[in-house]
Amino acid sequence: AQSVAQPEDQVNVAEGNPLTVKCTYSVSGNPYLFWYVQYPNRGLQFLLKYITGDNLVKGSYGFEAEFNKSQTSFHLKKPSALVSDSALYFCAVREGFQKLVFGTGTRLLVSP
Amino acid sequence: KAGVTQTPRYLIKTRGQQVTLSCSPISGHRSVSWYQQTPGQGLQFLFEYFSETQRNKGNFPGRFSGRQFSNSRSEMNVSTLELGDSALYLCASSLVSGSYNEQFFGPGTRLTVL
Repeated sequence: AQSVAQPEDQVNVAEGNPLTVKCTYSVSGNPYLFWYVQYPNRGLQFLLKYITGDNLVKGSYGFEAEFNKSQTSFHLKKPSALVSDSALYFCAVREGFQKLVFGTGTRLLVSP
Repeated sequence: KAGVTQTPRYLIKTRGQQVTLSCSPISGHRSVSWYQQTPGQGLQFLFEYFSETQRNKGNFPGRFSGRQFSNSRSEMNVSTLELGDSALYLCASSLVSGSYNEQFFGPGTRLTVL
């Protein structure tokens, strides 16, 4: 069965600095990988996804993620963090037509 | 296009009661998934429907059930409510079921069981 891990409960970064939110996955075949963001009292918003092809995926709000098959990772990155990026970030994996499995979430806190 | 809508947004029930939550997907989307979100367990998958058929099911007791109508709207029902059922219930829709299609989430229904 597929699974995903987000090893950090919280990531702290100063505004203007680069940020990375980590995600590793486990599947038996080829994964479809997703990042979502959740703001307080809101549902999840789709940021980006990896299907196949180029390992660097660009998404909404300046976020990007790098797929690394050998390390089974799909880390979320942004070159310059904004205070407004502070939110809860979820990584998710899907294999074929199985259910979408989410990580436990990482809270990103960007300080001014 | 209007986003995914969920009703009601907030609900307070007592133990033993039952509850029905409703979800209207984005127009044209035929797949609807439901999730339970709690601080301790994170996002847990409940079930997924596509063209009125349940495609996937999570590890929840039989008290949790769902259905999808011909217009793709979906409902989930929880019978004999327990305190532990207090959570944010999220509905998500996508064009078709599974694979690489991203899901679009509604704002959720906050259920409190007293």
